[in-house]
Amino acid sequence: DTGVSQDPRHKITKRGQNVTFRCDPISEHNRLYWYRQTLGQGPEFLTYFQNEAQLEKSRLLSDRFSAERPKGSFSTLEIQRTEQGDSAMYLCASSLRQVLYMNTEAFFGQGTRLTVV
Amino acid sequence: QKEVEQNSGPLSVPEGAIASLNCTYSDRGSQSFFWYRQYSGKSPELIMFIYSNGDKEDGRFTAQLNKASQYVSLLIRDSQPSDSATYLCAVILYGNNRLAFGKGNQVVVIP
Repeated sequence: DTGVSQDPRHKITKRGQNVTFRCDPISEHNRLYWYRQTLGQGPEFLTYFQNEAQLEKSRLLSDRFSAERPKGSFSTLEIQRTEQGDSAMYLCASSLRQVLYMNTEAFFGQGTRLTVV
Repeated sequence: QKEVEQNSGPLSVPEGAIASLNCTYSDRGSQSFFWYRQYSGKSPELIMFIYSNGDKEDGRFTAQLNKASQYVSLLIRDSQPSDSATYLCAVILYGNNRLAFGKGNQVVVIP
């Protein structure tokens, strides 16, 4: 499989529990993004990595959210003490950065749908 | 001001007609612009990208870019029922070089 892979596809959790999602980008893609999408809205930026370096975190990302990409390959997104407002689709995308400001497109995984009950 | 704005409501077009979608962006230095299509319950998929002012055509799709007006548009000619989806405008922001999305426009093609 040469696409972006996300696991799990669906997650139902009780409020207050911790959850962790995994994203495996396309091989050799050095840039990896995490987005959150709720119904009727576009993908909302959460954070992104250039190789293993986390270059930016959204101001909307509370301290309960943390992301890692330890070896510059796969990435994990953890949400601690989940709240009902965290229910959303969490999308991962990867791209291969080339010429400055002329990035190639980002390819998305199928997403992880989180439901907090 | 939002980084990327798509303000039109759902767009209904008859089969075979032209669907026109608009997008504005706030970062004047942005250089790279994308249109993604997203079917309900699915992840976004790229359909067009454009870097230069003017028009870019790919099959039934035409992207138009006007950097002076900070405006990007997408035309879908000969609309088909399979074009019914949400179309997302995305921009690589100059300031921090990351990808930002608009909220999307839903297109419904009526047979």
